[in-house]
Amino acid sequence: QSVLTQPISASGTPGQGVTVSCSGSTSNIGGNAVNWYQQLPGAAPRLLIYFNHHRPSGVPDRFSGSKSGTSASLAISGLQSEDEADYYCAAWDDSLNGPVFGTGTKVTVL
Amino acid sequence: EVQLVESGGGLVQPGGSLRLSCAASGFTFSNYEMNWVRQAPGKGLEWVSYISSRGDTIDYADSVKGRFTISRDNAQNSLYLQMNSLRAEDTGLYYCARGFTAYYVYWGQGTLVTVSS
Repeated sequence: QSVLTQPISASGTPGQGVTVSCSGSTSNIGGNAVNWYQQLPGAAPRLLIYFNHHRPSGVPDRFSGSKSGTSASLAISGLQSEDEADYYCAAWDDSLNGPVFGTGTKVTVL
Repeated sequence: EVQLVESGGGLVQPGGSLRLSCAASGFTFSNYEMNWVRQAPGKGLEWVSYISSRGDTIDYADSVKGRFTISRDNAQNSLYLQMNSLRAEDTGLYYCARGFTAYYVYWGQGTLVTVSS
């Protein structure tokens, strides 16, 4: 059972924006950096956002991350069909003394 | 180009053992911390184990502590996961991932472990 809670699903039409939330606590998101991963169908996870809001090279600027208190968000603007995937947040948890992943959100492009 | 290639998965009976391997290339393996992360069929990601670059710091998720052992051979650019006393709930795709504290830049394609009688 994950300590980081995400909505099961989110959707939008091409060109629209979508936001995925990640809710945690003071022991994880509240005191540590949040990273986001994209997992396309049948593929390995890929680092999408690191240290709350930084994008690795090659990640389009349509993807952005933010954090406030014990919650974090991933925003996708100008939704494209290739963005259809599962998205996971992750952070270090000081109480568990280990990394934790979010429950995952399936983003569907209608 | 960084590459991580897992192997060693397969079908094993409950209580059995498996040894997973991860062959690394395209970077100086001995400089980087490594992890195993797993994903049960149709489920989310779960961190399993961590090992420091020199192998002197090791950590495990509570769900595998006492049953799994992580190790590395820096001369062979390889990461390992010895899995003993396997249970049905250990079934899943096992990824090796380079990184630390939930920050994993590179992932392998995974190797499938199925625990079933």
